[in-house]
Amino acid sequence: AQKITQTQPGMFVQEKEAVTLDCTYDTSDQSYGLFWYKQPSSGEMIFLIYQGSYDEQNATEGRYSLNFQKARKSANLVISASQLGDSAMYFCAMREGFSGNQFYFGTGTSLTVIP
Amino acid sequence: NAGVTQTPKFQVLKTGQSMTLQCAQDMNHEYMSWYRQDPGMGLRLIHYSVGAGITDQGEVPNGYNVSRSTTEDFPLRLLSAAPSQTSVYFCASSYSSGLSTDTQYFGPGTRLTVL
Repeated sequence: AQKITQTQPGMFVQEKEAVTLDCTYDTSDQSYGLFWYKQPSSGEMIFLIYQGSYDEQNATEGRYSLNFQKARKSANLVISASQLGDSAMYFCAMREGFSGNQFYFGTGTSLTVIP
Repeated sequence: NAGVTQTPKFQVLKTGQSMTLQCAQDMNHEYMSWYRQDPGMGLRLIHYSVGAGITDQGEVPNGYNVSRSTTEDFPLRLLSAAPSQTSVYFCASSYSSGLSTDTQYFGPGTRLTVL
């Protein structure tokens, strides 16, 4: 079974609008971390936001927030007030357990911001 | 700090040739890993290491070899290149502090083409 599932291969959003990128995960661990990365066309991987499994509040970092629904095993990324520079691939990832050493990545979502 | 560095940035090989992709980090991270990125497949883990002298296989280890003689360096060796190994390769590192909060830092990637 896939550890991380991103079901939206491509998304479009109007500039200044908000957009939600979906991510579901599969783990039997009680302790895990969820990460989102951005990959612009230049190719580098940029860390955006982190959510721990024991965190009771949703993580926020500037215009990025993570909608964490533990019972549903979902960790959706919300980008508010989209900008043209947000056009990129977005990857959801998970690291399991207190001593977990492997990161599992989804297949990514390509976001295009339309002016 | 240079962060995570990778060399070369681009490489073209002929089938059957061998080569080493270099990766180095100056953040004193215990955990280092190699991924390959192929269109529509996200990042797949090839090999990883949790410290000098310790390596383990990831999801797609066949055809690749690694060693970790120092904390800083984690080279990836292609033993006999095949066209199926045409991909973008990323090296990443993180702390392995026993918490799942530690994000990975990625190198800029190596674009490899095998003819």
